[in-house]
Amino acid sequence: EDQVTQSPEALRLQEGESSSLNCSYTVSGLRGLFWYRQDPGKGPEFLFTLYSAGEEKEKERLKATLTKKESFLHITAPKPEDSATYLCAVQAEAGNNRKLIWGLGTSLAVNP
Amino acid sequence: DGGITQSPKYLFRKEGQNVTLSCEQNLNHDAMYWYRQDPGQGLRLIYYSQIVNDFQKGDIAEGYSVSREKKESFPLTVTSAQKNPTAFYLCASRDWAGGTEQYFGPGTRLTVT
Repeated sequence: EDQVTQSPEALRLQEGESSSLNCSYTVSGLRGLFWYRQDPGKGPEFLFTLYSAGEEKEKERLKATLTKKESFLHITAPKPEDSATYLCAVQAEAGNNRKLIWGLGTSLAVNP
Repeated sequence: DGGITQSPKYLFRKEGQNVTLSCEQNLNHDAMYWYRQDPGQGLRLIYYSQIVNDFQKGDIAEGYSVSREKKESFPLTVTSAQKNPTAFYLCASRDWAGGTEQYFGPGTRLTVT
């Protein structure tokens, strides 16, 4: 069964304290892996798409990486405004490739 | 500005009433999606549409209905048959010919009492 697991569920950091969020996936062929940021009461905001193992993408303090089994979202020197829930989703090649399989998210709090 | 709009932001209804949530996009995207989000659960797909006048059921379509008469619009009706309708509803769209990512609207929080 296709599955996406995110860890940790929640993470609290001090401003400037770098860390990583994990997204492990089990799918029958990966078509794409997506990272989103969601603020409370708002829709998810698209961050990155990764397509193949070894691929990396960066945006400001965020860097996403991909292996054959998992993806990491590295946050370097986070600021309080980085506080949000980070969602991971994958799209499988087999079957109905129009649907995304979503993780439950990691809730990140960055203290000043 | 291009984007996806959902209205209203908050919606309150009495049990037994049908309610329609609006979703409009001006991104010229072909595909549109409806999800519901509940605490402790991942996003769950309700319905999706790849082209005008065509739509498919997602994983939790029971108690919901949709229409796609225009490319820009994909309204969702929550019927009285939906047993637990209180949730945060999200609409998304995707450029079928472009990237594979979906873009989301701001959401509608529906409360049924």
